[in-house]
Amino acid sequence: GAGVSQSPRYKVAKRGQDVALRCDPISGHVSLFWYQQALGQGPEFLTYFQNEAQLDKSGLPSDRFFAERPEGSVSTLKIQRTQQEDSAVYLCASSFDSGDYEQYFGPGTRLTVT
Amino acid sequence: GESVGLHLPTLSVQEGDNSIINCAYSNSASDYFIWYKQESGKGPQFIIDIRSNMDKRQGQRVTVLLNKTVKHLSLQIAATQPGDSAVYFCAENIETSGTYKYIFGTGTRLKVLA
Repeated sequence: GAGVSQSPRYKVAKRGQDVALRCDPISGHVSLFWYQQALGQGPEFLTYFQNEAQLDKSGLPSDRFFAERPEGSVSTLKIQRTQQEDSAVYLCASSFDSGDYEQYFGPGTRLTVT
Repeated sequence: GESVGLHLPTLSVQEGDNSIINCAYSNSASDYFIWYKQESGKGPQFIIDIRSNMDKRQGQRVTVLLNKTVKHLSLQIAATQPGDSAVYFCAENIETSGTYKYIFGTGTRLKVLA
């Protein structure tokens, strides 16, 4: 497909488990963003990549959150020792380049920590 | 799919009427803005964008107005249809030291009444 894809779509984790969420951006898109969306809220910025470089990780809520994009395409968001407050939808978006370009969002991964 | 925006402000309009959704943004230096539509279980979908050197932009059935003096955006939807029912978010593009992030507003749920 031509859009942004994310996997898994749903993930249930027990408190304390580690999880890894995958994002496949649109081919050729330079910029990739991760967002966290709590129920009833707008997406909140987590981190931004330009190619393989993580240029901004100011939105990551704690050092349990880690993101990578080693080859400048697929990205993984890892959450270690999950807590209940990590329950949310995690959205990935990509755009052609940095700056004033439209972002295309994936469908998100719904993470539930029990 | 999961619900989006359970506790968001709600605008109810009759099918065929025009809808106006408002948004206040935070950063006077923001120079690019996007309106997104988010349906339940899906990622945000681009509707229309506007740059800060414009005060109005029209698309198909949608118009975005930008008032930089009071940092206000509005989205007008003409002849609202049942398929327009969704949560709508505005987002501002903020540049910081060469990196970019999008800050989303709180969102408005639009309900179209038949």
